[in-house]
Amino acid sequence: GNSVTQMEGPVTLSEEAFLTINCTYTATGYPSLFWYVQYPGEGLQLLLKATKADDKGSNKGFEATYRKETTSFHLEKGSVQVSDSAVYFCALPNTGNQFYFGTGTSLTVIP
Amino acid sequence: EAGVTQSPTHLIKTRGQQVTLRCSPISGHTSVYWYQQALGLGLQFLLWYDEGEERNRGNFPPRFSGRQFPNYSSELNVNALELEDSALYLCASILGVAENTEAFFGQGTRLTVV
Repeated sequence: GNSVTQMEGPVTLSEEAFLTINCTYTATGYPSLFWYVQYPGEGLQLLLKATKADDKGSNKGFEATYRKETTSFHLEKGSVQVSDSAVYFCALPNTGNQFYFGTGTSLTVIP
Repeated sequence: EAGVTQSPTHLIKTRGQQVTLRCSPISGHTSVYWYQQALGLGLQFLLWYDEGEERNRGNFPPRFSGRQFPNYSSELNVNALELEDSALYLCASILGVAENTEAFFGQGTRLTVV
């Protein structure tokens, strides 16, 4: 079935640093790819998505490009803020129509 | 428009007891998914319901079960609770096919088994 491999955490950055969280996938066909974010004490919410190869999803300064040739969907942000501290999950639909989530990467941004 | 709602938000149970968690999907969404997020672990797929039927289940023992009602709300039941069942239980709903659309999550139910 489909799966993702996500960069292990935790990640600690200073405010305004550049962020990259790696995600690679294995998939049959070309499903949409997603990044979800989970703020402390909350459920998951969609951060961004891309529906086909070479698409770039973006939201709140975060970006990720659907790369078919490298089977990757890395999350990037040029300048992180303290409010970006959260757990980030890469995800894609799996066989059986449920979503498969990566293990999550915890990000802490310090002032 | 109301999002996915889950109840209760927190509860504490004793080992061996039974618990029922509830989820109301976004209006118009017919698919409901349950996930378990144990401390330090990622999201583990539990169950998928669509149009009142169980469509798929993850690698969990039979004491994890559930159902979906005609209004598409759903319950997750866990019998004979064990300490390792302590986790955040997340419900998500989807409009249409997962391949092309996002899953919307509730805030979760934090279950503590003592």
